Amino acid sequence: EPEVTQTPSHQVTQMGQEVILRCVPISNHLYFYWYRQILGQKVEFLVSFYNNEISEKSEIFDDQFSVERPDGSNFTLKIRSTKLEDSAMYFCASSEVVWAASYEQYFGPGTRLTVT
Amino acid sequence: RKEVEQDPGPFNVPEGATVAFNCTYSNSASQSFFWYRQDCRKEPKLLMSVYSSGNEDGRFTAQLNRASQYISLLIRDSKLSDSATYLCVVNGGSNYKLTFGKGTLLTVNP
Repeated sequence: EPEVTQTPSHQVTQMGQEVILRCVPISNHLYFYWYRQILGQKVEFLVSFYNNEISEKSEIFDDQFSVERPDGSNFTLKIRSTKLEDSAMYFCASSEVVWAASYEQYFGPGTRLTVT
Repeated sequence: RKEVEQDPGPFNVPEGATVAFNCTYSNSASQSFFWYRQDCRKEPKLLMSVYSSGNEDGRFTAQLNRASQYISLLIRDSKLSDSATYLCVVNGGSNYKLTFGKGTLLTVNP
């Protein structure tokens, strides 16, 4: 069964450093997403991406964040200058389309980001 | 009112019990509804989409009431492996963004 993969599984970084989280969405999916989950809290939407541009972003997704599809398979989330409050689990997701039953989003295993 | 609100739980039930999860959502423009399950420190996994007519998948039954903006999930004959956090998820009127409830923790005991 195809699945979303993410690397690394755990990233530790110092405050102020840049991090890049990587994802490989399911191969025939066209829509890509990033979510985050701070420990003990709910999953929160960050950004969606389609056709090489951002479709929608949340208030959390400020100028410190960017996304990119650098090649035909990878989808990345960059945090330019990490803050302590960026510590969270970051999930990548993908979906085939955004309408009808195929809207279902499938999540990767996540990257645990720890900012010290 | 929270966008997606669930029973706070936790629920502790014996094996074989029937357990029901309830959820309400605030955005009447929401079009897509889902139940996901999340094991501790793992990713959300899609359990089932919820359709207007209600739908069933083995021991799992989901219902949607658009007028009341209410979604439910029923698990019959619960198994130890059903122990997880159950997440109510809606698309909140956006085509792209999923909005999650905080989840309800279920523990099934032998």
